[in-house]
Amino acid sequence: RKEVEQDPGPFNVPEGATVAFNCTYSNSASQSFFWYRQDCRKEPKLLMSVYSSGNEDGRFTAQLNRASQYISLLIRDSKLSDSATYLCVVNVGSQGNLIFGKGTKLSVKP
Amino acid sequence: EAGVTQSPTHLIKTRGQQATLRCSPISGHTSVYWYQQALGLGLQFLLWYDEGEERNRGNFPPRFSGRQFPNYSSELNVNALELEDSALYLCASSLSIGNQPQHFGDGTRLSIL
Repeated sequence: RKEVEQDPGPFNVPEGATVAFNCTYSNSASQSFFWYRQDCRKEPKLLMSVYSSGNEDGRFTAQLNRASQYISLLIRDSKLSDSATYLCVVNVGSQGNLIFGKGTKLSVKP
Repeated sequence: EAGVTQSPTHLIKTRGQQATLRCSPISGHTSVYWYQQALGLGLQFLLWYDEGEERNRGNFPPRFSGRQFPNYSSELNVNALELEDSALYLCASSLSIGNQPQHFGDGTRLSIL
């Protein structure tokens, strides 16, 4: 089983749509969770950290379910500029490194 | 505030040569991480340095090595380059306290001919 699994997509949605990404992780010792976005041939950029209580940043809402080892990201009112690959990322803590899912590609069309 | 800076942007080498990639972390960050992203693949962890010490390494052969300097900048060295080493090499930095998010540089694109 892969350490972090995501639907690879691509998700093709019209502007204004709501889109949801899901992710599961295998290591129950995982301590911190993030969503990054990566534009084509660019570096990953931190989108938001994910907390057990759920957190929201504008049009973006992230949820974490530790019992199910499941993380989600909801994007409301999607914009053309949201087109990117969204990476689900987990940190086990003691190992230091981030463990990346392979990403879900989103294309927002006019 | 300056972000993570990496140099060079692009590097072209031939098989068997050696490559050195450089990274300067965000000011105040003491942890530096190196990742490899080969075309079409996800990011793979290479090395983690904190306070000048190697703290962890990923599943890569010993010809991938590095170091961290007293000013917390870091070098990644790749010896005996092979064609499959062609990839984007990303450096990230973070505070060493707790499970902090990592912030990435623009990367060095290494091409092996």
